[in-house]
Amino acid sequence: GAVVSQHPSWVICKSGTSVKIECRSLDFQATTMFWYRQFPKQSLMLMATSNEGSKATYEQGVEKDKFLINHASLTLSTLTVTSAHPEDSSFYICSAERGRETQYFGPGTRLLVL
Amino acid sequence: QQQVKQSPQSLIVQKGGISIINCAYENTAFDYFPWYQQFPGKGPALLIAIRPDVSEKKEGRFTISFNKSAKQFSLHIMDSQPGDSATYFCAAGDDYKLSFGAGTTVTVRA
Repeated sequence: GAVVSQHPSWVICKSGTSVKIECRSLDFQATTMFWYRQFPKQSLMLMATSNEGSKATYEQGVEKDKFLINHASLTLSTLTVTSAHPEDSSFYICSAERGRETQYFGPGTRLLVL
Repeated sequence: QQQVKQSPQSLIVQKGGISIINCAYENTAFDYFPWYQQFPGKGPALLIAIRPDVSEKKEGRFTISFNKSAKQFSLHIMDSQPGDSATYFCAAGDDYKLSFGAGTTVTVRA
């Protein structure tokens, strides 16, 4: 149990376009989901906390207008990178909370902006 | 400012040996301490977790030791296997979110 999926697994886009990444909890409901960004050989950096039915809470330094998060249901959260630029290229990982504080991670989405 | 300090950055161990990774924290509000294993190009997988009411937890070859007074916890991987070669992250949770350590790359030599 506790499976989290992400789609797509990788995406290449042109600079200036928007990209949507989906995160789904497949076998449990998650009131809270999280979005992380990871650079090569570095730790996970929390971008935002997504709560079903309410606005996301963004970490300091993360542009909320650039990284739009929508938690439409108890099993789906989406991250939209708007007007993507090469510096947005990264590995984006979501997690879903099951039980108190226990996070299960998705497989990640690799974004390359040309 | 990193709230969880993890060491070493990398380690190499022979097959069958013991891998030990240490983490330290300052925030006494942390009450949940998970360890994650991550393979290249994949998302982290929850390995084992502990809460402050116990000093040790063992699951198969993986053991967490927790020292509340010293604000330190560690992961021991017994009988290390080549398939254990991965990056390991410790984390600490405070009801709102997890703070991650910098990660330790473990290489198990056959």
